[in-house]
Amino acid sequence: NAGVMQNPRHLVRRRGQEARLRCSPVKGHSHVYWYRQLPEEGLKFMVYLQKENIIDESGMPKERFSAEFPKEGPSILRIQQVVRGDSAAYFCASSPPGNRGANVLTFGAGSRLTVL
Amino acid sequence: KNEVEQSPQNLTAQEGEFITINCSYSVGISALHWLQQHPGGGIVSLFMLSSGKKKHGRLIATINIQEKHSSLHITASHPRDSAVYICAVLNGGATNKLIFGTGTLLAVQP
Repeated sequence: NAGVMQNPRHLVRRRGQEARLRCSPVKGHSHVYWYRQLPEEGLKFMVYLQKENIIDESGMPKERFSAEFPKEGPSILRIQQVVRGDSAAYFCASSPPGNRGANVLTFGAGSRLTVL
Repeated sequence: KNEVEQSPQNLTAQEGEFITINCSYSVGISALHWLQQHPGGGIVSLFMLSSGKKKHGRLIATINIQEKHSSLHITASHPRDSAVYICAVLNGGATNKLIFGTGTLLAVQP
């Protein structure tokens, strides 16, 4: 029973390119969370998704960032036209369904984005 | 002022010492997590607490809901315990998003 799988683990992009980060939750988990950790800073919530629904995207930058969690397949965090300030570690976590499901969180190993 | 405050920010200890890391929060919560992050590494959830105390090996976590305070203790510390320890609170409500402390960098010297 694999944990949360994130890929790629490391991604290098040039300014203006697109970055796509994928997250496969724990089998049976229907809630996915994305967090960003900027260099020398703490973790910050970005977005909370359930299958085919964005529940809370209050932590997402207003432009260039989008997230989805389709009925089939992994959750995707997409960053368009990347800038150097997007360089960070992006962590995904998942939890099982139910109101108290979020109490049981499993984190992925993170995807480290470097923008040149 | 951050909604979740940790102290100390940095901690250096000698192998074998008893270590305490503190977390205070100012928001209503449904649960509190203690997380461990090794440099350049992923995040591991150590504990999830909503009341009382939990123990796992040499790690002990306590929470006082009335005082909005939690502590993480490490007994008989070891160099492999060196990591960043992060307190994160679950704010409950509809979205269940985590609010993170800034972390405590622990270095245990042999």
